[in-house]
Amino acid sequence: DQQVKQNSPSLSVQEGRISILNCDYTNSMFDYFLWYKKYPAEGPTFLISISSIKDKNEDGRFTVFLNKSAKHLSLHIVPSQPGDSAVYFCAASAIQAGTALIFGKGTTLSVSS
Amino acid sequence: DSGVTQTPKHLITATGQRVTLRCSPRSGDLSVYWYQQSLDQGLQFLIQYYNGEERAKGNILERFSAQQFPDLHSELNLSSLELGDSALYFCASSEDTHQPQHFGDGTRLSIL
Repeated sequence: DQQVKQNSPSLSVQEGRISILNCDYTNSMFDYFLWYKKYPAEGPTFLISISSIKDKNEDGRFTVFLNKSAKHLSLHIVPSQPGDSAVYFCAASAIQAGTALIFGKGTTLSVSS
Repeated sequence: DSGVTQTPKHLITATGQRVTLRCSPRSGDLSVYWYQQSLDQGLQFLIQYYNGEERAKGNILERFSAQQFPDLHSELNLSSLELGDSALYFCASSEDTHQPQHFGDGTRLSIL
């Protein structure tokens, strides 16, 4: 049973526009959420995180929104750049279950110029 | 560069064999995590060590084991290898609980 779901396998966006990547989770014990970006032949690179006590966290072009009642989080990238083209993974953890990350299966973002 | 170093980058071996994957965490990070990424399963947590002690276990097979040494580097041992063990194995490290984990570039294991 997938606890973290990224229902869109791919997303295509034009350069300069907003990219919105979505993630749903089922485990209400999750209290820490992260987004990672992954290029081929490299490991996942940490982008941004959010604790369950917040509903928004911003870092430059990246903003993560958390809706606990809907068990949904999203990553907004504004403006999108061709270099943002990669696979994006949503991950979650629950402090009561240790700090292991549970990952979604990823969304491939393609930003065209 | 995440600061996490994994060796070797690629490993090709045969069924029934045993291999050891090595990970050096970022300087100052006490936690080391191992993940497996196979084509159909995505990234799956295997095991975590904190300052030399096992802290959490995920979907790790009994044929697999790990340890973290006093200098904080970690090794993942895979034995009696099967074709289905072919995957990318990632190591990650973090300072402590609920801190971002930083990943190495992985070891690609191919079983022939």
